[in-house]
Amino acid sequence: DAGVTQSPTHLIKTRGQHVTLRCSPISGHKSVSWYQQVLGQGPQFIFQYYEKEERGRGNFPDRFSARQFPNYSSELNVNALLLGDSALYLCASSPSSGPGYTFGSGTRLTVV
Amino acid sequence: AQSVTQPDIHITVSEGASLELRCNYSYGATPYLFWYVQSPGQGLQLLLKYFSGDTLVQGIKGFEAEFKRSQSSFNLRKPSVHWSDAAEYFCAVGGNSGGYQKVTFGTGTKLQVIP
Repeated sequence: DAGVTQSPTHLIKTRGQHVTLRCSPISGHKSVSWYQQVLGQGPQFIFQYYEKEERGRGNFPDRFSARQFPNYSSELNVNALLLGDSALYLCASSPSSGPGYTFGSGTRLTVV
Repeated sequence: AQSVTQPDIHITVSEGASLELRCNYSYGATPYLFWYVQSPGQGLQLLLKYFSGDTLVQGIKGFEAEFKRSQSSFNLRKPSVHWSDAAEYFCAVGGNSGGYQKVTFGTGTKLQVIP
């Protein structure tokens, strides 16, 4: 079975642009969570979605948004990119509403 | 609120020596506990997890961890370190936080292995 898959693997964007990152959970998993890992730090929680509804949001500005589709895949959108948004963005999935702990390989976003 | 403390930012061990990475957590109920390893530029690989039951947990790559409720600790151990174990290690606690489920990570411990 495929694990959590994320695309793209790498991305370079210019300040002010927007970006969309994608995540496909493990087959049968209904919960997707997003994390941001800035260089030198541990991952920080951004969102949890379960059954297509937002269940939780971390301390991130409204420029960050996400959604979950009927097939349980998810998109993370970031508007008006700042240099500080440069990070590894990780997705985790879970079969239930519990915390997702199986992570994808991440998308490395560089904002220039 | 849940939190994790990894007191050691950087640890250096000789190849073949034993290893113990410290982790203390704060959580109101019985937590889900995890250890992850991350090589430079890579994602997170799950080494082991504790949900309930036996407090000594075996993981991949010869790692083990022991859950000690009285000390709020979940230290990671390996009896003999290999050069390929050099990486960053994250302890994490998962559970309910404000009505939703999330995993909270420590700041990580960077492991250097010397020949």
